[in-house]
Amino acid sequence: EDQVTQSPEALRLQEGESSSLNCSYTVSGLRGLFWYRQDPGKGPEFLFTLYSAGEEKEKERLKATLTKKESFLHITAPKPEDSATYLCAVQAGNDYKLSFGAGTTVTVRA
Amino acid sequence: NAGVTQTPKFQVLKTGQSMTLQCAQDMNHNSMYWYRQDPGMGLRLIYYSASEGTTDKGEVPNGYNVSRLNKREFSLRLESAAPSQTSVYFCASSEYGYTFGSGTRLTVV
Repeated sequence: EDQVTQSPEALRLQEGESSSLNCSYTVSGLRGLFWYRQDPGKGPEFLFTLYSAGEEKEKERLKATLTKKESFLHITAPKPEDSATYLCAVQAGNDYKLSFGAGTTVTVRA
Repeated sequence: NAGVTQTPKFQVLKTGQSMTLQCAQDMNHNSMYWYRQDPGMGLRLIYYSASEGTTDKGEVPNGYNVSRLNKREFSLRLESAAPSQTSVYFCASSEYGYTFGSGTRLTVV
């Protein structure tokens, strides 16, 4: 069974204080690792897909990296508008189902 | 705007009542999914449809049924609602990446 564990559960940052979120996974035959952002009362919004160890992707202040066992989402010089819950999910085997972690809620104070 | 549309957005049911959550996508995706989201537990897959005419159970299917009406529409039915089904329900569609709807917030009292 696919397992996805995110840490920490919550992260409080000062504006400009860079940090990283962790997503560790146990799957058989990783097809892709996905990062989503979720704002309160809304559905998850796609950020990145990573397919192989060593791959990195960036979008504004966010950078996602992937190893064989975990992924990191780095937030550089965050702003209050980066406050959200960040979800990690894996896709494995021969289908397109996603298995999600419980998420990390990030709060950035001005 | 292209995307996934869910109705209703909010619903309160009494224990034992039935209801159907509707989902439609206009992106011509083959696969559609129903997830529930509970505090501290993340998104859990209820049912999915890999293509029109097929449906399969996910991680937490008990108490639910689904219908893939056509390529656009995938509905989720609660036949006899229970308080344990109080949750936020998300529909999604995909080819390779997922697009989610805005959710249905269901309370069963």
